[in-house]
Amino acid sequence: AQSVTQLGSHVSVSEGALVLLRCNYSSSVPPYLFWYVQYPNQGLQLLLKYTSAATLVKGINGFEAEFKKSETSFHLTKPSAHMSDAAEYFCAVRNTGFQKLVFGTGTRLLVSP
Amino acid sequence: GAGVSQSPRYKVTKRGQDVALRCDPISGHVSLYWYRQALGQGPEFLTYFNYEAQQDKSGLPNDRFSAERPEGSISTLTIQRTEQRDSAMYRCASSEEAGAYNEQFFGPGTRLTVL
Repeated sequence: AQSVTQLGSHVSVSEGALVLLRCNYSSSVPPYLFWYVQYPNQGLQLLLKYTSAATLVKGINGFEAEFKKSETSFHLTKPSAHMSDAAEYFCAVRNTGFQKLVFGTGTRLLVSP
Repeated sequence: GAGVSQSPRYKVTKRGQDVALRCDPISGHVSLYWYRQALGQGPEFLTYFNYEAQQDKSGLPNDRFSAERPEGSISTLTIQRTEQRDSAMYRCASSEEAGAYNEQFFGPGTRLTVL
């Protein structure tokens, strides 16, 4: 069965610092992988997705993620955090033939001035 | 509308009552999904539709939960005889068509509280 593990329920960074949010997946076949962001009182918004075209995926708001098959990871990074990046981030996996997204438990990013 | 809308945004009900949660997808989107998100957790799949056909209901927790999309657009998730454990955020999403790479666009959710 496919699953996603997000290490760290909370990550705190200073404004301008590197952001690294970790995601590891478990899947018997090459998966499709997604990162979503959730701002307070809003719906989930897609940041980026991996669909096997390229291992380094660039998304919105300066975020990117790298698919590493050997490590079964899809970590999310941003070189310089901004106050507006404070939100909850969810990694999700989806396999060919299945329509549902399987989400991790989420990581709340806190950005301090 | 511009995005997925859900109503009501908040629902407080007493244990044992039935509730109906509505989802209005992005116009023209073929696929519609329901998820449930407990506090501190990620969304968990409940069911999905292509047009009016319910393709997968494997995530519905028990027979008190049902969903329909009779005209292939608006969908209703109904919970009968609500219990306190049903309290959660219920999220709806839609996509242009079914496909593992297609983006699912999420609505703001309905927060259900069962007293």
